Amino acid sequence: GQNIDQPTEMTATEGAIVQINCTYQTSGFNGLFWYQQHAGEAPTFLSYNVLDGLEEKGRFSSFLSRSKGYSYLLLKELQMKDSASYLCAVRVLLNSNSGYALNFGKGTSLLVTP
Amino acid sequence: EPEVTQTPSHQVTQMGQEVILRCVPISNHLYFYWYRQILGQKVEFLVSFYNNEISEKSEIFDDQFSVERPDGSNFTLKIRSTKLEDSAMYFCASNMGGNTIYFGEGSWLTVV
Repeated sequence: GQNIDQPTEMTATEGAIVQINCTYQTSGFNGLFWYQQHAGEAPTFLSYNVLDGLEEKGRFSSFLSRSKGYSYLLLKELQMKDSASYLCAVRVLLNSNSGYALNFGKGTSLLVTP
Repeated sequence: EPEVTQTPSHQVTQMGQEVILRCVPISNHLYFYWYRQILGQKVEFLVSFYNNEISEKSEIFDDQFSVERPDGSNFTLKIRSTKLEDSAMYFCASNMGGNTIYFGEGSWLTVV
């Protein structure tokens, strides 16, 4: 089976840095994704890690340790518009021709305060 | 920028009725997906579709669900005999086979 854990809620101040952690237990791991989702809207892609290490993309960075089953999303210079749910999702490739399924965590609701 | 489009954006239906949710994936994409999100819960994988057939499906995707790509552009999810617990946001998604899946804006289904 699969188990993906992330904190339910976090609060941070505008201009600060926040780290959202995600731990997972899965077989057939084939990458970890972070998505942002505003209430009532579609998830939007933020980052992807398949190898260990840090991927940086502007104000957002994501880190992966496959041996530890651990990832984090780092958001710098927080803005009010960053208030959203952040979804950790693990990809499991079961069939080389099938595309893939993403298994999502429950999401971390981030509130950015002035 | 190309996007995945879905219709309807909202639908209310009576329990037991059939519902068809429609999606137009990004035109050069090869893999198509349906996900759902019950209010306040996580996004859940339903089904993936490639080369005109289902390639993977989850336990949620039982016999009341079916998908079809009737022409070169539309990708539909049919729910036969809807139940109250089918109320959710249904997201269509597509990709080329690379790392980024593009999600549509969702179809909010309410079963009463």
